Amino acid sequence: DIQMTQSPSSLSASVGDRVTITCRTSESISNFLNWYQQKPGKAPKLLIYAASSLQTGVPSRFSGGGSGTDFTLVISSLQPEDFASYFCQQRFAAPFTFGPGTKVDI
Amino acid sequence: QMQLQESGPGLVKPSQTLSLTCTVSGGSISSGGYYWNWIRQHPGKGLEWIGHIYYSGSTYHNPSLKSRFTISVDTSKNQFSLKLSSATAADTAVYYCAREKRGDDLLDYWYFDLWGRGTLVTVSS
Repeated sequence: DIQMTQSPSSLSASVGDRVTITCRTSESISNFLNWYQQKPGKAPKLLIYAASSLQTGVPSRFSGGGSGTDFTLVISSLQPEDFASYFCQQRFAAPFTFGPGTKVDI
Repeated sequence: QMQLQESGPGLVKPSQTLSLTCTVSGGSISSGGYYWNWIRQHPGKGLEWIGHIYYSGSTYHNPSLKSRFTISVDTSKNQFSLKLSSATAADTAVYYCAREKRGDDLLDYWYFDLWGRGTLVTVSS
């Protein structure tokens, strides 16, 4: 299985901050990488697919990048509704795996 | 607007079989172009992909879960289901059903774009 790591596991930030979350994979996955946001008690919500493509309806302050084994999710100006957990997911090879998550709080 | 809804018992005894159903509304599961998935999340933990099924019945189950899961589809009811045999406390989790679709512009790329609300299953005597 492709192993996923994320850093940091948690971070504290303020409204307006620029936040960067990193995802690394145990082998190259090209750009078959998706990002999800999850709020407490809710299902995950797709933010980014194919490493850098913004899902319809997701604010442009979210952006993704990277390829191979190293990927980033950037929130350019953190908003109150962005306090949540963020997960990366590889869709290069089954079984599809998720990163352990990054919790963003105030 | 398609929606997914999980249903099933919230409490299962150890060694029993856990059975969940995902009902698809607002669209046909047989329309093709989607994979239908089960994903679970242990309390306070990350997400674990259990497997998926196509409307034709073609499935893939996560081999890391040691073949205890079975995913099936019933197109006449517009549902797909998950069975877990020999449940243990380690199977206590929120179980989500999710639709996976390919990118409209990037046809090689698939992602989970629609999720059910999730259902908590506790395995306990």
